[in-house]
Amino acid sequence: DQQVKQNSPSLSVQEGRISILNCDYTNSMFDYFLWYKKYPAEGPTFLISISSIKDKNEDGRFTVFLNKSAKHLSLHIVPSQPGDSAVYFCAANFPQGGSEKLVFGKGTKLTVNP
Amino acid sequence: EPEVTQTPSHQVTQMGQEVILRCVPISNHLYFYWYRQILGQKVEFLVSFYNNEISEKSEIFDDQFSVERPDGSNFTLKIRSTKLEDSAMYFCASSDDRDQPQHFGDGTRLSIL
Repeated sequence: DQQVKQNSPSLSVQEGRISILNCDYTNSMFDYFLWYKKYPAEGPTFLISISSIKDKNEDGRFTVFLNKSAKHLSLHIVPSQPGDSAVYFCAANFPQGGSEKLVFGKGTKLTVNP
Repeated sequence: EPEVTQTPSHQVTQMGQEVILRCVPISNHLYFYWYRQILGQKVEFLVSFYNNEISEKSEIFDDQFSVERPDGSNFTLKIRSTKLEDSAMYFCASSDDRDQPQHFGDGTRLSIL
């Protein structure tokens, strides 16, 4: 089941620079998209979400962009900080279509170097 | 900040035994979920629960699994007769509406021997 794909298993950036994490999806029914951050031995922590009626949502240093025609979303972190080092998961569902079930990507491990 | 709490953090059980994983969702949330993550694999949906009944379940959630909200605060996942392949991290989540973010607990690591 590859409905949500994160093709980069890892990403390394310098502190203060931009981190861009990418996610592709195949199911056109998805209408809600989320990013989660996960530290070892903890559960996924919700970061930011976007509904399919928007193409951008911003919260502080975090911005999510949605390109529906390309079935692609990205998370931008500016500026990146060492504390942002974690695994980032993209997830999607279609609550308006009757399913709250989140489908997750495999995750991208972000390392922010001081 | 309100959070989802799960107990125990680690459960070791003999194959064939019953296990109950416990969760206390965020207090004003109405939708409850269980997910699992087998080592090295994706987080997978198991079941969603609303208004005291299952609203959706995956193919994984067979007759060996059941969920219950025994009182106003707890939400449990029972595995009746555990198998080796049930070894995984089990995450509980809750949300205040179906189109709102799901908030996760820190998980229970289930090890079947």
